[in-house]
Amino acid sequence: GAVVSQHPSWVICKSGTSVKIECRSLDFQATTMFWYRQFPKQSLMLMATSNEGSKATYEQGVEKDKFLINHASLTLSTLTVTSAHPEDSSFYICSAIRGLTGLWGGETQYFGPGTRLLVL
Amino acid sequence: AQTVTQSQPEMSVQEAETVTLSCTYDTSESDYYLFWYKQPPSRQMILVIRQEAYKQQNATENRFSVNFQKAAKSFSLKISDSQLGDAAMYFCAHYGGATNKLIFGTGTLLAVQP
Repeated sequence: GAVVSQHPSWVICKSGTSVKIECRSLDFQATTMFWYRQFPKQSLMLMATSNEGSKATYEQGVEKDKFLINHASLTLSTLTVTSAHPEDSSFYICSAIRGLTGLWGGETQYFGPGTRLLVL
Repeated sequence: AQTVTQSQPEMSVQEAETVTLSCTYDTSESDYYLFWYKQPPSRQMILVIRQEAYKQQNATENRFSVNFQKAAKSFSLKISDSQLGDAAMYFCAHYGGATNKLIFGTGTLLAVQP
């Protein structure tokens, strides 16, 4: 299989605090992981591409200082939402691709179950 | 720019019947990949089917098959013998080397009536 987990699945925090979301590939190694954001009844929007051992590549319009990504190992990437505000409330989904090359040629992305963030 | 269009926001099908979900895309590349993902109420994204553009043969996975028309840039998903568990949001997605990312359509919400 190709299982990706996320933790926590559901988090509520106060405005101004930081929240860390973990994404793990459980049964495969993944040099490359992706972070998406999904608003209710909308599609997935790519936020950033995370590569193990290097800096993440952020999509246009995504604040890299607000959404900190760390891909410290071949099975773990973390997304930290710093100084969260109510507008950051959303559903965050990670995905991973098998392989150690760091290159992506259209292989299947395996998705985590998502994390619901509510900022009060 | 690469775009993916799903023109059917909602569809409904009777259990055991067949339904086809539409998807069109725009790309200037000749080599790319197309995907259908399913997102049930749990919101877990599940791969349904993957098609490589250089392959003329339509991909199939059990009850799921695609009609890939490269010249028309069309990639529809056919679900045969629909089951209650097929009820979900279905997203069509395109990958091309120029953007190096997965571009999703807006999704089609499929309801399955018993």
